[in-house]
Amino acid sequence: QSVLTQPPSASGTPGQRVTISCSGSSSNIGSNTVNWYQQLPGTAPKLLIYSNNQRPSGVPDRFSGSKSGTSASLAISGLQSEDEADYYCAAWDDSLNHVVFGGGTKLTVL
Amino acid sequence: EVQLVESGGGVVQPGGSLRLSCAASGFTFDDYAMHWVRQAPGKGLEWVSLISGDGGSTYYADSVKGRFTISRDNSKNSLYLQMNSLRTEDTALYYCAKDSGYSGYYGMDVWGQGTTVTVSS
Repeated sequence: QSVLTQPPSASGTPGQRVTISCSGSSSNIGSNTVNWYQQLPGTAPKLLIYSNNQRPSGVPDRFSGSKSGTSASLAISGLQSEDEADYYCAAWDDSLNHVVFGGGTKLTVL
Repeated sequence: EVQLVESGGGVVQPGGSLRLSCAASGFTFDDYAMHWVRQAPGKGLEWVSLISGDGGSTYYADSVKGRFTISRDNSKNSLYLQMNSLRTEDTALYYCAKDSGYSGYYGMDVWGQGTTVTVSS
C-alpha cells in the first residue's frame, strides 16, 4: 500500500491527451513539491517533472505537471508510442520524514 | 558525462549481509544529496535511503531502518549501502540516484542502471 495513490493503469491512442493522477495528504503533497518519473521498459527511471510543474532539459513540452491541494497530475498531450512506460509520482513526507512514491501507473498506447 | 555505476549486488542467504557501492563521475559529488531506491521484481519503485552532501544527515524507509546504513566517501566520489539482517523481501534491483539538491529531497535527476540483490536460501 503506497502512501501516494495512483491508478494502476491508463491508456490512450496516438495523439490523445492522457492524465495520470497522484493523491496524497497534507503531510506530503499538501506541503511539499511533487516530482514525476518515467520508467521505460527495462530501463532505469528518469526524472520527468520536478517542483510540481518544471521540466528538466530535454523533456518534451508534451509533458506537464500540476498540483492542487493534496493531489497532483501528470498530463501527456500528443501521445506517442514511445510514451508507453510506467509513471511514478513522489514527494517528501513530513510525518514519515522520508521520500514516498506512488504505486506507479502503467501507460499503454493503443 | 554524468554517471552513476552501482556494484556489489549478489545472492545472499536470509540473515546475511551485503555492501552496495555506487561510483559517481561527471559532477561535483559532495555538492549533492544521494539516494538508494529499490524495485522488487515486477513491482514499483520503493525509496530506501537518503544522505546529504556532507554525509551529516541520513534518512531511511521504515522497512530498512536499523538494518541498512547509508554512507558516502566524498574523497572517492562513492556512495554505499551496508545491508545487514537481509530478508527475502529485500530482493530487488537497487538503484543509486543523485538528488538535485544538497540536503533533503528535490528530485532524483540522475540514476544508475542498478545492481541486483537476491536474498534466498
